Amino acid sequence: AQTVTQSQPEMSVQEAETVTLSCTYDTSENNYYLFWYKQPPSRQMILVIRQEAYKQQNATENRFSVNFQKAAKSFSLKISDSQLGDTAMYFCAFMKLAYNTDKLIFGTGTRLQVFP
Amino acid sequence: NAGVMQNPRHLVRRRGQEARLRCSPMKGHSHVYWYRQLPEEGLKFMVYLQKENIIDESGMPKERFSAEFPKEGPSILRIQQVVRGDSAAYFCASVLGLLYNEQFFGPGTRLTVL
Repeated sequence: AQTVTQSQPEMSVQEAETVTLSCTYDTSENNYYLFWYKQPPSRQMILVIRQEAYKQQNATENRFSVNFQKAAKSFSLKISDSQLGDTAMYFCAFMKLAYNTDKLIFGTGTRLQVFP
Repeated sequence: NAGVMQNPRHLVRRRGQEARLRCSPMKGHSHVYWYRQLPEEGLKFMVYLQKENIIDESGMPKERFSAEFPKEGPSILRIQQVVRGDSAAYFCASVLGLLYNEQFFGPGTRLTVL
């Protein structure tokens, strides 16, 4: 069974600074996807970034980038130039690559607070 | 993902009553997932449905919970004889279909059991 671990329950960062959120996972699968989702106070789940395990290049989406270390089973999220609107819960998630889209397995989340 | 609709957004039930949660997927999507988020926790998979077919219900509690996705109409998550421990946010996500596609989440239904 796959598991996703987020060891930082809470993080804080000052506006315009950079913060890194950690995520590790455990799987015996070789082909899978990894995601970071943002959940603001509205509780809407918003996809921030995704990484295909077969790609060596780290994914980047504007101010968001990941450090994907497949051998170490590590998938951290770096937020550059933090903005007040980045304040939210962040969830790391794993999905096995299957013929039919498979379920997402989520970590317990990291609460990020951005201070002015 | 604004196309996935869930209703009601908030639902209050007393212990022993039934809760019916609805999810209308994005247009053209024929696959739906249901997830539950207990307070201060991450989302946990409950069930995966295609139209008229349950694909994976490995995350569903064995009793009181059922789900369907009929040929016409929304997907329904039904909880019978609710208990306080059922209080949670319930999210559905829809997917276009085969192979990988991004799961588009609805806004969730917050169920409160008094």
